[in-house]
Amino acid sequence: AQSVAQPEDQVNVAEGNPLTVKCTYSVSGNPYLFWYVQYPNRGLQFLLKYITGDNLVKGSYGFEAEFNKSQTSFHLKKPSALVSDSALYFCAVRVTLTGGGNKLTFGTGTQLKVEL
Amino acid sequence: ETGVTQTPRHLVMGMTNKKSLKCEQHLGHNAMYWYKQSAKKPLELMFVYSLEERVENNSVPSRFSPECPNSSHLFLHLHTLQPEDSALYLCASSQQPSGGTEAFFGQGTRLTVV
Repeated sequence: AQSVAQPEDQVNVAEGNPLTVKCTYSVSGNPYLFWYVQYPNRGLQFLLKYITGDNLVKGSYGFEAEFNKSQTSFHLKKPSALVSDSALYFCAVRVTLTGGGNKLTFGTGTQLKVEL
Repeated sequence: ETGVTQTPRHLVMGMTNKKSLKCEQHLGHNAMYWYKQSAKKPLELMFVYSLEERVENNSVPSRFSPECPNSSHLFLHLHTLQPEDSALYLCASSQQPSGGTEAFFGQGTRLTVV
């Protein structure tokens, strides 16, 4: 089964420091990988995706992610964290459905807390 | 703001009530999804509609009944729910069959069953 794993329930970082939110994947074939962010009582907002091409993908709000095929990872990064980055972050992989079409399968989420 | 609108934003219902959640997308997508998000649990995919046909139903109890009258609208009909059904219900849309396109989510409906 195709899946993603987020090994950390919570990540704490000081404002101004770099942040990393980890994600590993298990897929057959070429993976389509995504990162989403969720603020309290809101829906998920798309941050960035990896389809093909450069392993370093740049997204919204200064976030980027590095695709590493040998380590089957797709970690989310930001050089300098802001308090406003505090939110729940989800990694996801696109899965093809046998009945046609596709869907996103999400990780369990990582709560990011950025403190002053 | 995301092009996917869900109504109502909040809903409180008794276990004997019947209610419906509505989702509308203005993005021209041809696939729509219902997800359930419970506290301290992973996002659960409930239903997938592609080209207005249901292509996946993840063993969801029959007290949840989806309806997709056209590619822009998706409903989730609720009846005789249980307190454990209280959760945030998220609707999403995307363009099929392109695997590289991201899904867009609505703001969700916060459902409380009393």
